[in-house]
Amino acid sequence: DAGITQSPRYKITETGRQVTLMCHQTWSHSYMFWYRQDLGHGLRLIYYSAAADITDKGEVPDGYVVSRSKTENFPLTLESATRSQTSVYFCASTGPLGSYEQYFGPGTRLTVT
Amino acid sequence: SQELEQSPQSLIVQEGKNLTINCTSSKTLYGLYWYKQKYGEGLIFLMMLQKGGEEKSHEKITAKLDEKKQQSSLHITASQPSHAGIYLCGADGGSGGSNYKLTFGKGTLLTVNP
Repeated sequence: DAGITQSPRYKITETGRQVTLMCHQTWSHSYMFWYRQDLGHGLRLIYYSAAADITDKGEVPDGYVVSRSKTENFPLTLESATRSQTSVYFCASTGPLGSYEQYFGPGTRLTVT
Repeated sequence: SQELEQSPQSLIVQEGKNLTINCTSSKTLYGLYWYKQKYGEGLIFLMMLQKGGEEKSHEKITAKLDEKKQQSSLHITASQPSHAGIYLCGADGGSGGSNYKLTFGKGTLLTVNP
């Protein structure tokens, strides 16, 4: 199906484990983003990518790693998960500069125990 | 860094009533985005405003950006249960309406009682 998908939708992991959240879009959009949403903090940008092999930090990048070898995929890895990384994670994408709308995935609810 | 303050934090209205949500920025807004989020789902783009005094409407939702470009309002006329959700404003961090590195407000939770 066309659009932006995230997997898994729900994940429970233990402190210290590595976790990778997947994001896939079918539009060949240039820009892709990872946000986390927390009560009291709203939506905060973790990392973004302007194109394949080009990534940059957002507001809260510590503890996260991203890669983008293909335009359509933008995985987010928590190298050693901590309880503070319990959150809902959203991936988004958008077209070339001048395209105003960011398209959001359905989110991944991650719990770190 | 830019900060966006939304008010109210939550709102409960009776179906058919009008309501307004505000978004105030600590800096000049070069691009102001309104999104809606239903519980457990991703965000849906509503509107984007760039020019001072600009106003856009979609169905029963109207968004405005003030002349000084530091405040935006979202007005819903004759609310319906389908309007319920979280409304978020987002601001472009650049100076030319770029569509990345958005900063979001904390959101306004709207409940519409039938």
